Amino acid sequence: DSGVTQTPKHLITATGQRVTLRCSPRSGDLSVYWYQQSLDQGLQFLIQYYNGEERAKGNILERFSAQQFPDLHSELNLSSLELGDSALYFCASSVAGDPYNEQFFGPGTRLTVL
Amino acid sequence: QQQVKQSPQSLIVQKGGISIINCAYENTAFDYFPWYQQFPGKGPALLIAIRPDVSEKKEGRFTISFNKSAKQFSLHIMDSQPGDSATYFCAASNTDKLIFGTGTRLQVFP
Repeated sequence: DSGVTQTPKHLITATGQRVTLRCSPRSGDLSVYWYQQSLDQGLQFLIQYYNGEERAKGNILERFSAQQFPDLHSELNLSSLELGDSALYFCASSVAGDPYNEQFFGPGTRLTVL
Repeated sequence: QQQVKQSPQSLIVQKGGISIINCAYENTAFDYFPWYQQFPGKGPALLIAIRPDVSEKKEGRFTISFNKSAKQFSLHIMDSQPGDSATYFCAASNTDKLIFGTGTRLQVFP
């Protein structure tokens, strides 16, 4: 158990809908990262927050947004969902803001868009 | 230039054999190269990592070999065990973010 929690574990929704994925980092970790994992793309970095502020951005679509709250939990919002958004979404956390620190991954949220 | 190319996509090894997974990168600014291991149904977990100031790092049965001039690095798993069956991701970063390879699914048969 990495200490990172993600809810929900599974999510099934329809195209055009909006969903929110939630992540609680390990105690003491200030950074939260979001990744998308699909079969053919591997792990794609989406976005990173450090102590409430956006720190780095990857291949995140404009339909996706995230935030980190004062208690350091983070939410990833996915809107106008398309079939291609079906994937595993992982949250990871680390102590500091730079990528040299070990990232601890949660168990993931499996999103299925029908 | 931000890509990390990983091969092979899948690997089947007999118990006791050596598993070798290769990665290549283009961005010479990358200065941290971790390997993550992912078991089915779980999130990835850090296995071993290397900085470019050394050519090799060993932790137990796992070794990273790093070739800075060729911009390549590889993971060697000695005496591979069925419990090593997992997906392995190489990654590279500088001060910005981790870029992951596409993963290698390793199966070790008894």
